[in-house]
Amino acid sequence: LAKTTQPISMDSYEGQEVNITCSHNNIATNDYITWYQQFPSQGPRFIIQGYKTKVTNEVASLFIPADRKSSTLSLPRVSLSDTAVYYCLVGDFRAGSARQLTFGSGTQLTVLP
Amino acid sequence: NAGVTQTPKFQVLKTGQSMTLQCAQDMNHEYMSWYRQDPGMGLRLIHYSVGAGITDQGEVPNGYNVSRSTTEDFPLRLLSAAPSQTSVYFCASSFSRQETQYFGPGTRLLVL
Repeated sequence: LAKTTQPISMDSYEGQEVNITCSHNNIATNDYITWYQQFPSQGPRFIIQGYKTKVTNEVASLFIPADRKSSTLSLPRVSLSDTAVYYCLVGDFRAGSARQLTFGSGTQLTVLP
Repeated sequence: NAGVTQTPKFQVLKTGQSMTLQCAQDMNHEYMSWYRQDPGMGLRLIHYSVGAGITDQGEVPNGYNVSRSTTEDFPLRLLSAAPSQTSVYFCASSFSRQETQYFGPGTRLLVL
């Protein structure tokens, strides 16, 4: 299993850019990197997924260096509503793959006014 | 679409009792899975299914059974509840393992 390591918690202020880094030193060739967001008493929600370099969507960017041993989720101009737990997930998403998907412990992001 | 629904939202059991956590999705997703979430431990995969009639074990399957008789439903059964099974349980579904997983609202289980 590709184990992930994230900071336990981070604080930020409204309007700032937040970068959360995830380490996955034993990532396999066929593994993708996915980030989920979870609010209290809710199930996780997909944010972004990537394999290499940079991926951007309407809510976040994902930066993956060439060695793919880490990734950084970037949230531009956070607001109070971005306070949540963010999970980095590394797994082989190919059809028929027997490898399990593993969630880490997540990063509690607290956005302060 | 209702998405992924789970029932009940909250349940209290006594040690040794059995129960079934229900999960249903109306998105015609082939892949469904069950996770448990304990404080400070993230989500751990219990069982998963890649289609009707096909199930397999995840990271922490002991004490739980699943079946997948239809595409829509994926119930999780606790045969003899133990206090160690006190947790929040999430069901998720996706078109396939490569696709984004959609999570239900969760079932909070307390075993006394």
